[in-house]
Amino acid sequence: DQQVKQNSPSLSVQEGRISILNCDYTNSMFDYFLWYKKYPAEGPTFLISISSIKDKNEDGRFTVFLNKSAKHLSLHIVPSQPGDSAVYFCAASPANAGGTSYGKLTFGQGTILTVHP
Amino acid sequence: ETGVTQTPRHLVMGMTNKKSLKCEQHLGHNAMYWYKQSAKKPLELMFVYNFKEQTENNSVPSRFSPECPNSSHLFLHLHTLQPEDSALYLCASSQDIVRRGRVGETQYFGPGTRLLVL
Repeated sequence: DQQVKQNSPSLSVQEGRISILNCDYTNSMFDYFLWYKKYPAEGPTFLISISSIKDKNEDGRFTVFLNKSAKHLSLHIVPSQPGDSAVYFCAASPANAGGTSYGKLTFGQGTILTVHP
Repeated sequence: ETGVTQTPRHLVMGMTNKKSLKCEQHLGHNAMYWYKQSAKKPLELMFVYNFKEQTENNSVPSRFSPECPNSSHLFLHLHTLQPEDSALYLCASSQDIVRRGRVGETQYFGPGTRLLVL
């Protein structure tokens, strides 16, 4: 049972346009969400995060939106650049409950973003 | 040296070999993690250490044996692996396992070790 899903395996966008990457989750205990970017032969690089008390977080060209009622989050990249071409992973972490491990991240399968010049 | 480093970057081993993967973090963090990424699968958490204590073993077979001698170093000892264990093994670190009341915990990843078991 996959608790974090990225239903689009790939996305192709023209340089300068907006890239929108989507992620859905099923576990209502998740309350912290992150996006990572991964280039081939490198580890995932942290991009941006959002906690459940917010519905939007912005950092430069990257904005993450969270819709808790729909259990959906999205990453917007504006404007998209060829250097943004990579695999993007969303990840989710649960609220602390009963003192158990809280830092456990559950990842989606990833979306391959290709930005064409 | 900054961030999270992993050695070796690539490893080929036979099923009867014993090898170790090494991870070192230079971020002053107290929690360290091992993940496995198989082809076309999400990252799977294997082990979590917080202040050198193992806090999570995600039903990992005993042929994988972690060791955390201090908060900066994490090892994954491998023995009698199977070909299906071939994957990218990633190490990560974070400040520590979040305690009640603190929101969010970001993990920082190393470049990974690409393992091939023949």
